[in-house]
Amino acid sequence: DAGVIQSPRHEVTEMGQEVTLRCKPISGHDYLFWYRQTMMRGLELLIYFNNNVPIDDSGMPEDRFSAKMPNASFSTLKIQPSEPRDSAVYFCASSLHQGAVGELFFGEGSRLTVL
Amino acid sequence: QKEVEQNSGPLSVPEGAIASLNCTYSDRGSQSFFWYRQYSGKSPELIMFIYSNGDKEDGRFTAQLNKASQYVSLLIRDSQPSDSATYLCAVKRGSNYKLTFGKGTLLTVNP
Repeated sequence: DAGVIQSPRHEVTEMGQEVTLRCKPISGHDYLFWYRQTMMRGLELLIYFNNNVPIDDSGMPEDRFSAKMPNASFSTLKIQPSEPRDSAVYFCASSLHQGAVGELFFGEGSRLTVL
Repeated sequence: QKEVEQNSGPLSVPEGAIASLNCTYSDRGSQSFFWYRQYSGKSPELIMFIYSNGDKEDGRFTAQLNKASQYVSLLIRDSQPSDSATYLCAVKRGSNYKLTFGKGTLLTVNP
């Protein structure tokens, strides 16, 4: 089975531009998570969905960030406008409710550089 | 106080030795504890989870949990160069699906 698929793998953009990151979770998984990883702050949870519904978005840093999950097989994380401090690796992960709780399956990540 | 704390390392051990990785957490309501391994430039992958006080063994890996001391550790026996990676400790509170990660400990196993 295919794992979690993220795109793009690398994104370089200029401050002020809109950035959209995409994620396709593992088929059948009912939880989807967006994490951000930096050297300074480690791996931080931004938002997670259950059955396409946002459950906890308390980690979303500010209004410039938004996430959607229009269906069970697709989610987006959008940053508008982007700032240099948004530079990080953004991971999408999915999980199955009936599985080992806490076992997240991560995508390969999207490395974002904002100049 | 950070929710999940780990020594950033690097922790350097010779091949064949026991590597000991430690993690403390601040939320006494934490009920589930996880160790993820992350190779450089790759994504994290789950290697162990533990719910109850005591030890849990899986091959060369042993997770240890002491809820009274709010302490969880991971022992890797017969360390191999392929174990060189960053090890992330994560905790979860109750039925909440939110996992909180530490910053990770970089382990280097020298041949």
